[in-house]
Amino acid sequence: QVHLVQSGAEVKKPGASVKVSCKASGYTFMNYYIHWVRQAPGQGLEWMGIISPAGGNTYYAQKFQGRVTMTSDTSTSTVDMELSSLRSEDTAVYYCARENLSKSDFWGQGTLVTVSS
Amino acid sequence: EIVLTQSPATLSLSPGERATLSCRASQTVTNYLVWYQQRPGQAPRVLIYDASSRATGIPARFSGSGSGTDFTLTISSLEPEDFAVYYCQQRSDWLWTFGQGTKVEIK
Repeated sequence: QVHLVQSGAEVKKPGASVKVSCKASGYTFMNYYIHWVRQAPGQGLEWMGIISPAGGNTYYAQKFQGRVTMTSDTSTSTVDMELSSLRSEDTAVYYCARENLSKSDFWGQGTLVTVSS
Repeated sequence: EIVLTQSPATLSLSPGERATLSCRASQTVTNYLVWYQQRPGQAPRVLIYDASSRATGIPARFSGSGSGTDFTLTISSLEPEDFAVYYCQQRSDWLWTFGQGTKVEIK
């Protein structure tokens, strides 16, 4: 059974960085891209980027380039997303999602990141 | 970047009624058009992929249609659990974009 389990909620101060983890199980980790999507309170879904767990190749949304880094660890089947220079507008639920043929068939449970002084 | 525009923003309907949701793309998206449902406090779940294929376990009352730049999600007869927010999404090269969502609320 496929599972994506994310790390717990975080509270950060403006200017800090946050790292959110997404641990995959129940499938061959290297065979599926992982996307990161965030959702600010009461708002829609915003795509952040994609990582290929096999080779570590990444592609980030232009909005986040320079502030986001996605990495994968095949030994632990984990993908991390680090966002730096946090501001209040980064307060959101962050999701990892597995891509299967251009759609996401499994999502993590979401991680709330709160940015507040 | 392809922009997806969903309409209407909110759809107020009663259980048993038919819901028709629209997603319009700023340029042709081939058929990599996906529809998700999101209930409060939950992650999105895929309903329709490749514009018209139902995902595993999705009831037959959900259907998708369209091609090119205009796509539609239809819920033939609303059940109480269908009142939620619906998003369309497309993939172009490595990049995803989402529509802003349509909320289907109880009238």
